[in-house]
Amino acid sequence: QVQLVQSGAEVKKPGSSVKVSCKASGGTFSNYAINWVRQAPGQGLEWMGGIIPIFGISKYAQKFQGRVTIATDESTSTAYMELSSLRSEDTAVYYCARDRGWYSSSWYHPTWFDPWGQGTRVTVSS
Amino acid sequence: EIVLTQSPGTLSLSPGERATLSCRATQSVSSSYLAWYQQKPGQAPRLLIYGASNRATGIPDRFSGSGSGTNFTLTISRLEPEDFVVYHCQQYGSSPTFGQGTKVEIK
Repeated sequence: QVQLVQSGAEVKKPGSSVKVSCKASGGTFSNYAINWVRQAPGQGLEWMGGIIPIFGISKYAQKFQGRVTIATDESTSTAYMELSSLRSEDTAVYYCARDRGWYSSSWYHPTWFDPWGQGTRVTVSS
Repeated sequence: EIVLTQSPGTLSLSPGERATLSCRATQSVSSSYLAWYQQKPGQAPRLLIYGASNRATGIPDRFSGSGSGTNFTLTISRLEPEDFVVYHCQQYGSSPTFGQGTKVEIK
């Protein structure tokens, strides 16, 4: 069974960037999409975007367009999420999650998410 | 963007009782592209249901999903002690969005 293991907690200053990694093991990496979902303290879940590694096609939530970059390194079965121009409202737990995805060589549509990584806490504070 | 509203915000029930959780969408969700997740404190969400009514691998049959269009329901037929946690719905008919969650607490 595939497992997703994320990098450790981060503390960042406002205006800086954070890069979180998500390493997959125990399954095929390239044919499944990796998505990023965040959860602010006491709040619900918020989808940020996803990528299908085999074609490198990504899709982002409009809210995060221009501020988030999702990429993969197939050689290490690792996905990355970089969020820039951090502000206090970005304080949250960030999760990666796999989805079967619907895709071709030119488009990608996220579906349901399973499994999830353990989460990475990002704190933005001056 | 499709907005999902879950109700109630908190559901107070006793072990062995039936739980009915609602998820309503501001627009029709294409082809019942709706999923449900369970989230225990301090843990990542776990997939319960996809395609509105399909149980994920390893999910007990006391969990069931139903609905179409803009109204969806997660039913837990007999609550076990470990079921008193938070549940989220998610649509994937368009760019994914989640509801705000329903907490099931012990009465």
